[in-house]
Amino acid sequence: QVQLKESGPGLVRPSGTLSLTCTLSGGSIGTYYWNWVRQPPGKGLEWIGDVFTTGSTTYNPSLRGRGTISLDTSKKQLSLNLSSVTAADTAIYYCARLDSGYGGFDIWGQGTLVTVSS
Amino acid sequence: DIQMTQSPPSVSASVGDRVTITCRASQNVNTWLAWYQAKPGKAPKLLIYAASRLQSGVPSRFSASGSGTLFTLTISSLQPEDFATYFCQQTNNYPYTFGLGTTLEI
Repeated sequence: QVQLKESGPGLVRPSGTLSLTCTLSGGSIGTYYWNWVRQPPGKGLEWIGDVFTTGSTTYNPSLRGRGTISLDTSKKQLSLNLSSVTAADTAIYYCARLDSGYGGFDIWGQGTLVTVSS
Repeated sequence: DIQMTQSPPSVSASVGDRVTITCRASQNVNTWLAWYQAKPGKAPKLLIYAASRLQSGVPSRFSASGSGTLFTLTISSLQPEDFATYFCQQTNNYPYTFGLGTTLEI
């Protein structure tokens, strides 16, 4: 069974960098788009960005250039770095897989809560 | 960005009821529309992709239709495990965007 699991610090200081890892088990990196999505408390879901198997990335312009997504195919890990964080970056962060042929995120991690606070 | 507007924001229903949720896109997304079910503490679950295609393993009481800017998700006979939040998502254009969700309550 293909599974994704997010990991990383649950607390990040303002102006610091949020760093998360998403580990894939039970499957291969394949030819998918690997995504990060977040949900601030009480708000809707926001797509952060994705990385294709080739390493090509696309980001949500709302991040204003603060995000970096990478893929380590040998470790089957996806990573997210978000710099210059503020309280507005407090959210549950999810990783998810997109099969571009179908257009839906078919595998999601359970999510990890990251709080930005001093 | 393409705005996804879901209605209603919440709906009260009973087991056995038929429920329909609507999702409107601010621009044409063709059939690049997915529906998900979310429950607290659990990974969101893909129900429908390509606007009307049932994801493997999803019960047939779930169905969906639409194209362009108007989409619907219907649950034909609510079961206790269906009480959750449902949201739509477009993957026609970057940045991908989601609806705010519809909470299905008893």
